[in-house]
Amino acid sequence: EPEVTQTPSHQVTQMGQEVILRCVPISNHLYFYWYRQILGQKVEFLVSFYNNEISEKSEIFDDQFSVERPDGSNFTLKIRSTKLEDSAMYFCASTSSGKDTQYFGPGTRLTVL
Amino acid sequence: LAKTTQPISMDSYEGQEVNITCSHNNIATNDYITWYQQFPSQGPRFIIQGYKTKVKNEVASLFIPADRKSSTLSLPRVSLSDTAVYYCLVGDPYNNNDMRFGAGTRLTVKP
Repeated sequence: EPEVTQTPSHQVTQMGQEVILRCVPISNHLYFYWYRQILGQKVEFLVSFYNNEISEKSEIFDDQFSVERPDGSNFTLKIRSTKLEDSAMYFCASTSSGKDTQYFGPGTRLTVL
Repeated sequence: LAKTTQPISMDSYEGQEVNITCSHNNIATNDYITWYQQFPSQGPRFIIQGYKTKVKNEVASLFIPADRKSSTLSLPRVSLSDTAVYYCLVGDPYNNNDMRFGAGTRLTVKP
């Protein structure tokens, strides 16, 4: 069964550094999403992406965040200047159409020191 | 987006049927109800989705009363591996598929 993959599985960075989290969505999917989950808390929507542009973003997704689909397979989340409170699991999801089930990746655990 | 309310936690024993109810009083006409399962340190996994009445698949059943203000996820004969957090989400997948998760229900299955 096709699946969403994410790299790295764990990223440790210093406060103020830039990080790029990578996702490879399922190959024929067109809609892409990023979510985060702070340890012990609920999954929070960050952003959705379709047709090479952001279609929706939450209040969490401020100017320090950006997303990109640099080629036909990768979907990235960049955090420009990390803060301690950015430490969380970041999940990528994809779906073939806007109404179908979202398939989640295994997540990247980001630790900001 | 409709707000959902679920029990914070539930305990069960192996082999029992588990029913988790979610309240969504302000569900809109075009909203669907979707349930996800999440194991520790893993991404949420789709379980089932429905609009009204009853939906059943190989994993679970979903019961939705006529007023649609609540829904019940039914897991038949749970096993230890069903221990997870279960999320109920309500939204219009045809208009905006951004999912807003609630706190979920932490189900613990005991031997």
